[in-house]
Amino acid sequence: GDSVTQTEGPVTVSESESLIINCTYSATSIAYPNLFWYVRYPGEGLQLLLKVITAGQKGSSRGFEATYNKETTSFHLQKASVQESDSAVYYCALGETANYGNEKITFGAGTKLTIKP
Amino acid sequence: DTTVKQNPRYKLARVGKPVNLICSQTMNHDTMYWYQKKPNQAPKLLLFYYDKILNREADTFEKFQSSRPNNSFCSLYIGSAGLEYSAMYLCASSSGTGDTQYFGPGTRLLVL
Repeated sequence: GDSVTQTEGPVTVSESESLIINCTYSATSIAYPNLFWYVRYPGEGLQLLLKVITAGQKGSSRGFEATYNKETTSFHLQKASVQESDSAVYYCALGETANYGNEKITFGAGTKLTIKP
Repeated sequence: DTTVKQNPRYKLARVGKPVNLICSQTMNHDTMYWYQKKPNQAPKLLLFYYDKILNREADTFEKFQSSRPNNSFCSLYIGSAGLEYSAMYLCASSSGTGDTQYFGPGTRLLVL
């Protein structure tokens, strides 16, 4: 089946430093899955951070970026300068279209990120 | 309003007893999902409802049941809870092809 592997946490980074959270995927049932980063801030539900559906394209949101690399099957999350408010758990995920046009999502285990002031 | 609500937020259950978790959304989404999340593990899809059609994942087929009495509500039912059911249960909903899934805050279930 499909699987997603990401940087094992917890990860601690100082404010204003750069960040990279690695993500690689294996999609056995679909050649070009949709790729996502979800985030869960303390006390809140999972929410979509960014999504890319085309290989070679880059998605960005809230200063974060991730590029869909089909050759290396990777979708690393990067940010040039983190803020304390970025402290959260980040989940890499892939999606495949199910029978009804909806999306079945396979998540990674999550990376807990703590930003030191 | 893109809120998905889940009740209760915390649930304590005894081994062998039934458990019923509730999810609601007012976005008129046609699809509602249930995931199970254990510590240090990825959220795992258990089942989803597309309109009135229930789809359960093969490896959890017999462990979970669900109902969707109307478009807004969806329940997750465990007939006889075991210790291995202790987890966070996440509900999500989406509408249309390839639409974003919106997640609720989760229900933390502890089985003793």
